[in-house]
Formats: sequence, structure tokens, C-alpha cells
Amino acid sequence: DGGITQSPKYLFRKEGQNVTLSCEQNLNHDAMYWYRQDPGQGLRLIYYSQIVNDFQKGDIAEGYSVSREKKESFPLTVTSAQKNPTAFYLCASSIESRAGYTFGSGTRLTVV
Amino acid sequence: KQEVTQIPAALSVPEGENLVLNCSFTDSAIYNLQWFRQDPGKGLTSLLLIQSSQREQTSGRLNASLDKSSGRSTLYIAASQPGDSATYLCAVGDIKAAGNKLTFGGGTRVLVKP
Repeated sequence: DGGITQSPKYLFRKEGQNVTLSCEQNLNHDAMYWYRQDPGQGLRLIYYSQIVNDFQKGDIAEGYSVSREKKESFPLTVTSAQKNPTAFYLCASSIESRAGYTFGSGTRLTVV
Repeated sequence: KQEVTQIPAALSVPEGENLVLNCSFTDSAIYNLQWFRQDPGKGLTSLLLIQSSQREQTSGRLNASLDKSSGRSTLYIAASQPGDSATYLCAVGDIKAAGNKLTFGGGTRVLVKP
């Protein structure tokens, strides 16, 4: 079955630590996105990539970094510069710009 | 800046009643609108995608309408079931935004009571 796989499902980060969230898709979609979901604030765009080896900052990119070396993969690193990283992180993809989104099952990140 | 609002934030109905969920957006320059369902602690599941040139989309018990000029979309769920209990989110694709960025509403949390 085609889809988006996010791992891990739960992740715990210590102060000052960088962590990487995985997002893999086998849908042959060109575009991929990372959103952050906080209670009462809806979903906010962190980074997006429309093609391999290219990515753009979204609305809340500070403290995050991404790479897009393969079409199938779009990992997100939450750096120590992100002061409030506790949230639910969602990865999505679309076959092209302006097409519908498909979402993964999410990663819940908690600072301990 | 595009803003998407969903009212009410929460809704409780008895089983069998039809559900009507509202979504409004401030800028009519959109290329599509998508409705999603989210179960607690889970990702988003796409329900319906309406392109800007369309007025409605239907899938089974679900029907979504789009009125771009008034900045509104409505999701109808016929004959609700307890399994329809979830949070429903709408999102618009803004023509003026870079990339394929979707702007999301805050969601309507639905409880269907048996």
C-alpha cells in the first residue's frame, strides 16, 4: 500500500539535544511538507520541498532544519535552538503543487 | 493574510442526525479546499478535495460545498454514526502563498452519541 511513514511515533528530547524525525513516502509525490500542531493553534507550516534538493522555509522555520536528498525522504531535525519543541509533528506530501495532501500518522515530541 | 475559521469548535449530536460543519476563509483567491478528519493522537485523513472551479464534491455520506465568492465551505455528513466522532479540519490552498501551502482552520470536534 502506498502511503507516508513517520517514525518514531513518540520521541523524547533532552534540553540542548538535536533530534531528527523521519518521513518516508512511496507515493511518488514530488512535494513534501512538515507541519507542527499545537492545541488551540491549528497546523503551522515549518518547511516544504517541491522537488529533490530544494526546500523552502514555512511560517515557523526557526530552530528547525530539513534535507531532501531523495524524492522519498524528507527528514526534519529539531535543533536545540527551538525553544518550545513539544508538539505533534505531521509530514505530508502531494503529487504536485496545488494537489491534495496526504498526511502521515505523526510524531509526538516531548521535551524532558 | 489568509485566515480560516471553523465554527463551532465543538459539536455533539445524537446518532442518526445529519452533521453540518462550517468553514470560512477571508481571501477568495484559492485554488482548492480540502476537508480532513483527525482522530485523537493520529494523523489527518483526507475526506474531500474541492478544486476552485468546482461547487461541490461527494463521497458516500459526505458532501462538501464551496462558495468562493462568499468565502465559505460546508461539510455535510448524513445519518451520523458514533464512528464519525473525530475532529474535522478544513484547509485552503492560497493562490498568493508560495509553494503549495495550505492554511488550516482550527477544527470542529464532533461527538456522535449512541
